[in-house]
Amino acid sequence: DTEVTQTPKHLVMGMTNKKSLKCEQHMGHRAMYWYKQKAKKPPELMFVYSYEKLSINESVPSRFSPECPNSSLLNLHLHALQPEDSALYLCASSQEVARQGHQPQHFGDGTRLSIL
Amino acid sequence: GNSVTQMEGPVTLSEEAFLTINCTYTATGYPSLFWYVQYPGEGLQLLLKATKADDKGSNKGFEATYRKETTSFHLEKGSVQVSDSAVYFCALTRNQAGTALIFGKGTTLSVSS
Repeated sequence: DTEVTQTPKHLVMGMTNKKSLKCEQHMGHRAMYWYKQKAKKPPELMFVYSYEKLSINESVPSRFSPECPNSSLLNLHLHALQPEDSALYLCASSQEVARQGHQPQHFGDGTRLSIL
Repeated sequence: GNSVTQMEGPVTLSEEAFLTINCTYTATGYPSLFWYVQYPGEGLQLLLKATKADDKGSNKGFEATYRKETTSFHLEKGSVQVSDSAVYFCALTRNQAGTALIFGKGTTLSVSS
């Protein structure tokens, strides 16, 4: 069982809908990440939160809005998405970002998003 | 910035065959190196890691050695099983300041009995 829990597992939405993806971890990690993964491609980094503050935004369109309400939770709010946004969205967590990158990231199983 | 190049598959092997998946990297400084595995319908699982030159990561019969002289981190397993069929990603930290990862393109391994 994964230690990073993502809900929902599947989501189908229209282009005018607003929905949210949720991610939760209870490992005491202080860095959390959102990745987007298209079929047969590697994950691409979208956002990084460190100590509940946004530290990296990889020039993601504003129709994706991340939120980190506390150290255990990470949300991704979706609005007015496009069909090309259909993908697997992966959440990950790790120990604090400031260390020298020795700490691996732990991934959830993802939310498979389909935009109609 | 840092980058990683990974052999692209698919790699098709018979059970008990020897596996090598090549991974080379370009980096400034001393990145940490990782192999992740993704089974169908699942997220990524850490397979092994190495944080400095000459470190050997190992797990579940898989091994990889951090070779600074050849900037490589090749994944090996002496005898693969059908259950090893998955996509394997080589990854490194983007820079020394944090843990954001850059992934290789992934190698699909298919093992038949």
